[in-house]
Amino acid sequence: SQTIHQWPATLVQPVGSPLSLECTVEGTSNPNLYWYRQAAGRGLQLLFYSVGIGQISSEVPQNLSASRPQDRQFILSSKKLLLSDSGFYLCAWSAPGQGGGETQYFGPGTRLLVL
Amino acid sequence: SQQGEEDPQALSIQEGENATMNCSYKTSINNLQWYRQNSGRGLVHLILIRSNEREKHSGRLRVTLDTSKKSSSLLITASRAADTASYFCAYNAGGTSYGKLTFGQGTILTVHP
Repeated sequence: SQTIHQWPATLVQPVGSPLSLECTVEGTSNPNLYWYRQAAGRGLQLLFYSVGIGQISSEVPQNLSASRPQDRQFILSSKKLLLSDSGFYLCAWSAPGQGGGETQYFGPGTRLLVL
Repeated sequence: SQQGEEDPQALSIQEGENATMNCSYKTSINNLQWYRQNSGRGLVHLILIRSNEREKHSGRLRVTLDTSKKSSSLLITASRAADTASYFCAYNAGGTSYGKLTFGQGTILTVHP
């Protein structure tokens, strides 16, 4: 069966510090991968998605970047965090080759607090 | 971005009652999905309904889709305290939005025992 992992679960970082959040998927090959941010009590904002290694699409221009160095690894990064980067970050995957927006499976999330 | 809209924003009911949540969107869609999120956790997929379907059932869940009105509803029957969570609709708009879902702002459901 497929599983998705995210770490760390919680992170407190000072403004201006770098960020690296990692997401890995097991049990599937060539998944579509997604990074979302959720502000408190709000819906999900899609940040990045990837349909393959090295293929990243950015949805919102901002202080963050994403990379996919391996088939089942998706990394969210920042060189200098801003206060507004605080939030709940969720990684998700969906089956490959699905042009119709099929079911997405979410990781447990990382809660980031920038102080 | 074209976010879905959900209402009500919050719903408080007693155990055993039915809960209905609504979702509206603005574009043509390939499918619409409903997800559930317990506090501080990831989202869990509940049900997917395609644009050519009008109603779908899964256990105590019933989803309807009206593409002419660009709206969907999620009905949870005989609610339980364990149904307390946030519920989100999400749709795939097709075309160039390959694989991407647009999420609504969610409905917070509280079921009192």
